[in-house]
Amino acid sequence: QVQLVQSGAEVKKPGASVKVSCKASGYTFTTYAFSWVRQAPGQGLEWMGWIGTYNGVTDYAQKLQGRVIMTTDTSTNTAYMELRSLTSDDTAVYYCVRDPGRFDYWGQGTLVTVSS
Amino acid sequence: DVQMTQSPSSLSASVGDRVTIACRASQTISNYLNWYQQTPGKAPKLLIFSASTLQSGVPSRFNGSGSGTEFTLTISSLQSEDFATYFCQQSYNTPRTFGQGTRLEIK
Repeated sequence: QVQLVQSGAEVKKPGASVKVSCKASGYTFTTYAFSWVRQAPGQGLEWMGWIGTYNGVTDYAQKLQGRVIMTTDTSTNTAYMELRSLTSDDTAVYYCVRDPGRFDYWGQGTLVTVSS
Repeated sequence: DVQMTQSPSSLSASVGDRVTIACRASQTISNYLNWYQQTPGKAPKLLIFSASTLQSGVPSRFNGSGSGTEFTLTISSLQSEDFATYFCQQSYNTPRTFGQGTRLEIK
């Protein structure tokens, strides 16, 4: 069965970077793209960007341009999302999602807390 | 960006009720509309894609309809496990955008 398993919770100081991993199993990794979605405490869902697993093409949300980098490692079936220059506004649960035009499988979420 | 607006923002209902949640897009998105259910502390779950196609394993009491800019999610007979927050999301273009959510509570 399809599974997306994310790395564990992180606590970071303002200005630092965080890198979240998402290991996929149960299907052919390069068949589907990934999106990353985040959810601040008590808030709605925010799409961060998209990466094609076959060719590495990315498409980032404009508000995160220059701070976010999405990558994949096809040798380990893992997707990564790195966010730089963190502020308290980046405190959220971060989800990787398989994206064949809809978010059909979600990781369990990774809580990133930004606090001094 | 395509703005997605859901109504109502919250809704109280009883087990067995029929409920409808609306989602409006700021521009036409054809049928590129998906619905998700989220319970507290859990990742969202895909219910319906392409406006009206039920995701595998989702009970048939969930029904989606609409095209263009107006969409609805209907739950025909509420069960206790359906009390959750529901989000619509457009996949017509990027940035992918979500509605603000509709919280469905027990009356």
